[in-house]
Amino acid sequence: NFMLTQPHSVSESPGKTVTISCTRSSGSTASNYVQWYQQRPGSAPTIVIYEDNRRPSGVPDRFSGSIDSSSNSASLTISGLKTEDEADYYCQSYHSSNHWVFGGGTKLTVL
Amino acid sequence: EVQLVESGGGLVQPGGSLRLSCAASGFTYSSYSMNWVRQAPGKGLEWVSYISSSSGTIYYADSVKGRFTISRDKAKNSVYLQMNSLRDEDTAVYYCASGGNFPDYWGQGTLVTVSS
Repeated sequence: NFMLTQPHSVSESPGKTVTISCTRSSGSTASNYVQWYQQRPGSAPTIVIYEDNRRPSGVPDRFSGSIDSSSNSASLTISGLKTEDEADYYCQSYHSSNHWVFGGGTKLTVL
Repeated sequence: EVQLVESGGGLVQPGGSLRLSCAASGFTYSSYSMNWVRQAPGKGLEWVSYISSSSGTIYYADSVKGRFTISRDKAKNSVYLQMNSLRDEDTAVYYCASGGNFPDYWGQGTLVTVSS
């Protein structure tokens, strides 16, 4: 099994760009797709990036995903920050036997 | 529109049992793997259990193995989680989510509180 480590919190101003990292503890990040979820208070998570860098329909192109094999990590980048982007963000991947592994979550504050 | 609606949560004493249900609509439920994911108050997401579309493959997180049982009823477009021998640390919002390699749709969750 592996773990996914995210920063506990990040903050940035409206209109700016923020990047949230997700580092895999063992095995290669490139070996399994990474997804990203947004969760607003009191609501269920919703997917914003799937298969490393693909955006579901309806998700603004301000959201983008990438992976970096050198640091064995994935990243979620949100550009042109809006106050409505303030939420918790979780990365997710899977290992054998279809088990889902989630990162600990990152609280994004837009101030 | 895809909808997943959980029910069955509530307050239960340690050692007790609960059965959660998740009713699916708006997609070809019978073709999808289904999962339960939980979130303790103020904490992150934790995958709990998986069942394949045919019910032929089932997995559990180590934290619930031997105590929880997942099942599905295709005729009722529903998935269930039977939870026995509940512990304080099982207190959480329980979400059902569709998907195999990753969750694509989520329900709104049902709160389970284990307390004496």
